[in-house]
Amino acid sequence: DAGITQSPRHKVTETGTPVTLRCHQTENHRYMYWYRQDPGHGLRLIHYSYGVKDTDKGEVSDGYSVSRSKTEDFLLTLESATSSQTSVYFCAISELAGGPKTQYFGPGTRLTVL
Amino acid sequence: TQLLEQSPQFLSIQEGENLTVYCNSSSVFSSLQWYRQEPGEGPVLLVTVVTGGEVKKLKRLTFQFGDARKDSSLHITAAQTGDTGLYLCAGALGNQFYFGTGTSLTVIP
Repeated sequence: DAGITQSPRHKVTETGTPVTLRCHQTENHRYMYWYRQDPGHGLRLIHYSYGVKDTDKGEVSDGYSVSRSKTEDFLLTLESATSSQTSVYFCAISELAGGPKTQYFGPGTRLTVL
Repeated sequence: TQLLEQSPQFLSIQEGENLTVYCNSSSVFSSLQWYRQEPGEGPVLLVTVVTGGEVKKLKRLTFQFGDARKDSSLHITAAQTGDTGLYLCAGALGNQFYFGTGTSLTVIP
C-alpha cells in the first residue's frame, strides 16, 4: 500500500469557519491531488500540485485553496466553510514520469458543515 | 458533462454469475485505471492499462483497453460476495485523471 495518510479522518464544523485538511505521503511522489466525492458525481478534482509551491486548479476549485511547502505535505483549506462543501475528501499521489500514469489514494476525510 | 461514462450505474447479481462493466469516452487517454472502493475507504487500484487492445487478468477479473484507448471494460467471472463494492474507472490525460461516476456492484449469496 502507498504511504498516504489524511488528517483528520472525520470533522464536523459550522458554516463560516475555516477548515484545513492535511495529506501526508512517504513515497516522494511529485504529484498530489485533492478530490471530493459526492453521490451521483463521482470523484471530482479540486486542486493538484506538480511540485513544491506549484499548484493548479481542478474542476471544482471555487471556495478552496491549497498549499505545498514540502514534497510530502499537501494542505487543502476551506477559507469559510459552506454546507455545499459537506463531502468526503480524498488525497491522491502520482509519479507521472517513468511509467504508466497511476494514482494511489489516501483513506479520506469525511467533512460535515452544519 | 462527464468525460468518462460508466455503465451500468448499479448492478445486483447472484453469486456465481458473470458480469461486465463498461467505461466509455470520446477522449484518448494515455492510460486507464480501474479501482474498487468499499464504504468508508479510499479507492484501491486494481489495474492500469496503457496499450490499445491490452488485456490484463487479475484472478477472476479481466480488464481490456480499447484499441483506440478511449474505452475499457471490466469482466468478472463467477462473482463472489467479496466482489461487492464500487468500481471506478479513471483515464489519465495530461497531468490529470478523469473519473467515471462508478458502478455499484452487489453480489447476493
